[in-house]
Amino acid sequence: KNEVEQSPQNLTAQEGEFITINCSYSVGISALHWLQQHPGGGIVSLFMLSSGKKKHGRLIATINIQEKHSSLHITASHPRDSAVYICAVYNTDKLIFGTGTRLQVFP
Amino acid sequence: GAVVSQHPSWVICKSGTSVKIECRSLDFQATTMFWYRQFPKQSLMLMATSNEGSKATYEQGVEKDKFLINHASLTLSTLTVTSAHPEDSSFYICSASGAIYEQYFGPGTRLTVT
Repeated sequence: KNEVEQSPQNLTAQEGEFITINCSYSVGISALHWLQQHPGGGIVSLFMLSSGKKKHGRLIATINIQEKHSSLHITASHPRDSAVYICAVYNTDKLIFGTGTRLQVFP
Repeated sequence: GAVVSQHPSWVICKSGTSVKIECRSLDFQATTMFWYRQFPKQSLMLMATSNEGSKATYEQGVEKDKFLINHASLTLSTLTVTSAHPEDSSFYICSASGAIYEQYFGPGTRLTVT
């Protein structure tokens, strides 16, 4: 069993839909990252959080430390949101990565 | 802010040659840099962690003599793939950290060894 699990693995949506990606982890963490990787390969850091909730534009990230669970929400999804979204947790000075959620948003 | 660059973005080399990949933090000082490798449709695999002025710490199974890492300054780390072979073909990504728990990723370098 992976230390960081994401669901779903693949997700398709129509433009405008509300999207949720979930991340569960089984190790102690210092912080959790949500990352976005586009087909070209570059990775963008979306959020780093250790408690509560953060919002940036149409993106919202939440974390529940007690339940070892985080969610990434995308409101009013757009085709340009199509990418792989990766949850990564900071454990003993290094990141442990989830396997990613591949999102495709169709117009 | 927090921009990390990599050079080159892609490189093709012949088997047996060495290739150097640079990772730079453009607008902050990176006390720690990380080097990752990613195979198609798989997650990132940490290869090594480097701190400025110190020897890199390699993950288990990563050959330190094959993947030479130098973190000579607070803005530059290099990864040299020595005597490259086709199985070294991969996507290599660096990240840089200037503050605890932060990591900013470079755009990656696609290496193809023929």
